[in-house]
Amino acid sequence: GAVVSQHPSWVICKSGTSVKIECRSLDFQATTMFWYRQFPKQSLMLMATSNEGSKATYEQGVEKDKFLINHASLTLSTLTVTSAHPEDSSFYICSAKLTAGAVTQYFGPGTRLLVL
Amino acid sequence: SQQGEEDPQALSIQEGENATMNCSYKTSINNLQWYRQNSGRGLVHLILIRSNEREKHSGRLRVTLDTSKKSSSLLITASRAADTASYFCATDEGGSYIPTFGRGTSLIVHP
Repeated sequence: GAVVSQHPSWVICKSGTSVKIECRSLDFQATTMFWYRQFPKQSLMLMATSNEGSKATYEQGVEKDKFLINHASLTLSTLTVTSAHPEDSSFYICSAKLTAGAVTQYFGPGTRLLVL
Repeated sequence: SQQGEEDPQALSIQEGENATMNCSYKTSINNLQWYRQNSGRGLVHLILIRSNEREKHSGRLRVTLDTSKKSSSLLITASRAADTASYFCATDEGGSYIPTFGRGTSLIVHP
């Protein structure tokens, strides 16, 4: 099956710093990638849809200047949490589809962010 | 906005027993998918059922879909301790094919 990786798997940073999380599709090209955020024992909340070569589409309530998304190639999307604060601490998960109209998504293993 | 809601929120059973989880949703859907998440990990796709299907099987998994009641169930038969995880349903509607996830059911299978 299709494999999606995330790096790093966990990160601890100081408040005010920026953190970049990478999402890679290892054995397929993904025209569309998604970024989710998950709080403990909660659902996955879609943050944004990332399309290769174009600007990301952010969900309502997600600050695009806070969460910078770059989908520079068909196998890589990055999420940068800028000027991180403790309330940004969460589990961030990416997923990828082969095409925008595909039903099946392939999820990465997630990145746990802790902001001190 | 959240579409699917799983029930129960938590389920604790003994190994060998069957586990049934339910998912209810609000609007018409294209597809409904069930995912599994081990603690602190990403999601693993279990099964997809389309709106024109009523039942699907995959190994020890059985999924039903009742579009008139806007509900789905996931049955895991002969559960194992390794089935301990959170299970989410996700629905997509319209032309988006972007699934919306429920809060999940936390399943614990005691050996």
